[in-house]
Amino acid sequence: DQQVKQNSPSLSVQEGRISILNCDYTNSMFDYFLWYKKYPAEGPTFLISISSIKDKNEDGRFTVFLNKSAKHLSLHIVPSQPGDSAVYFCAALRNYGGSQGNLIFGKGTKLSVKP
Amino acid sequence: DSGVTQTPKHLITATGQRVTLRCSPRSGDLSVYWYQQSLDQGLQFLIQYYNGEERAKGNILERFSAQQFPDLHSELNLSSLELGDSALYFCASSEQTGTTNNEQFFGPGTRLTVL
Repeated sequence: DQQVKQNSPSLSVQEGRISILNCDYTNSMFDYFLWYKKYPAEGPTFLISISSIKDKNEDGRFTVFLNKSAKHLSLHIVPSQPGDSAVYFCAALRNYGGSQGNLIFGKGTKLSVKP
Repeated sequence: DSGVTQTPKHLITATGQRVTLRCSPRSGDLSVYWYQQSLDQGLQFLIQYYNGEERAKGNILERFSAQQFPDLHSELNLSSLELGDSALYFCASSEQTGTTNNEQFFGPGTRLTVL
């Protein structure tokens, strides 16, 4: 049973436009949601996160929106750049008594930004 | 560079064999996590260690085991290897407590191929 789902395996966007990557989850007990970016032959790198008590977090060109009632989050990249082309993983985390739990990942969305 | 190192980068072996993957966490990080990424799958959590002790277990097979040593490096042992064990194995580390973003820092991964 997949607790974190990324239903779009791929997304193609023109340079300069907005990229919107979506993620759905099933467990209402998750405390944090994170986005990771992965280039081929490298490990995932952290991009941005959001606490379950917030509905928006922004960092430069990246904004994550959380809709708890819909159990849905999205990552917006504006403007998209060719260097953003990578696989993006949505991940969720539940902390236990102040100590960090493990990440539960979606299967990823491959973003291609065309010049 | 995340500061997490993994060796070896590539490993090719035969079915039935045993291998050991090694991970050195970021300086100061007490928690180490192991993840497996198979073809077309997201990263699956295997096991977590904190300061030498097992903290959480995910979908780890009985043929797999791990440990964290006093210097905080960790090893993942995979035995009686099967073709289906071919995957990318990632190690991640975190401070465990006091992290603002709850992020985990990933190593570059070890690609295991079982022939």
